[in-house]
Amino acid sequence: GAGVSQSPSNKVTEKGKDVELRCDPISGHTALYWYRQRLGQGLEFLIYFQGNSAPDKSGLPSDRFSAERTGESVSTLTIQRTQQEDSAVYLCASSPRTAVREKLFFGSGTQLSVL
Amino acid sequence: EDKVVQSPLSLVVHEGDTVTLNCSYEVTNFRSLLWYKQEKKAPTFLFMLTSSGIEKKSGRLSSILDKKELSSILNITATQTGDSAIYLCAYQGAQKLVFGQGTRLTINP
Repeated sequence: GAGVSQSPSNKVTEKGKDVELRCDPISGHTALYWYRQRLGQGLEFLIYFQGNSAPDKSGLPSDRFSAERTGESVSTLTIQRTQQEDSAVYLCASSPRTAVREKLFFGSGTQLSVL
Repeated sequence: EDKVVQSPLSLVVHEGDTVTLNCSYEVTNFRSLLWYKQEKKAPTFLFMLTSSGIEKKSGRLSSILDKKELSSILNITATQTGDSAIYLCAYQGAQKLVFGQGTRLTINP
């Protein structure tokens, strides 16, 4: 596609439910990143993929969070047993590779609201 | 621990003013420093800086990196209401971008 696509754009869920957030990176981009942005805050790194492997998962806040990627394509971020503090915008980004001096291209994010 | 600090966190000015946004970093394995503009949700790329002292310009926006001082500034001249946004600074480490908390800039007509 022309840009990074994320779905859904908005998700309202009840505390304790599981949610899946989807990211479609730019075609041909091997690197894919997930960030979280709480209201009024900067971007908090969650995880990145090189191809379908995840060399750095250090930002995942707890074992309720997991992510996977199919080949060099779609990625899914899953949050189990959602809590109110999970409410945030979840941003996905891709780049041609994880080498130095590569800028990231961001999607429009998923606004997650946990009631 | 690597970190990026931006200042001010919030800034309100009148249309036509010039603003300077600051970014300082404490990082290992520095590769580059990037600026993004975030108007709604998706941050959009502005500049990538790798060499100290070389100014990057795009219209009314410019940015420069000072490796000695571990800092960067983003200048916007003749501000317009469309410049209202959150401006994010990030450093590129070995594998990922690490962001500062952003500066929320509001331009009043």
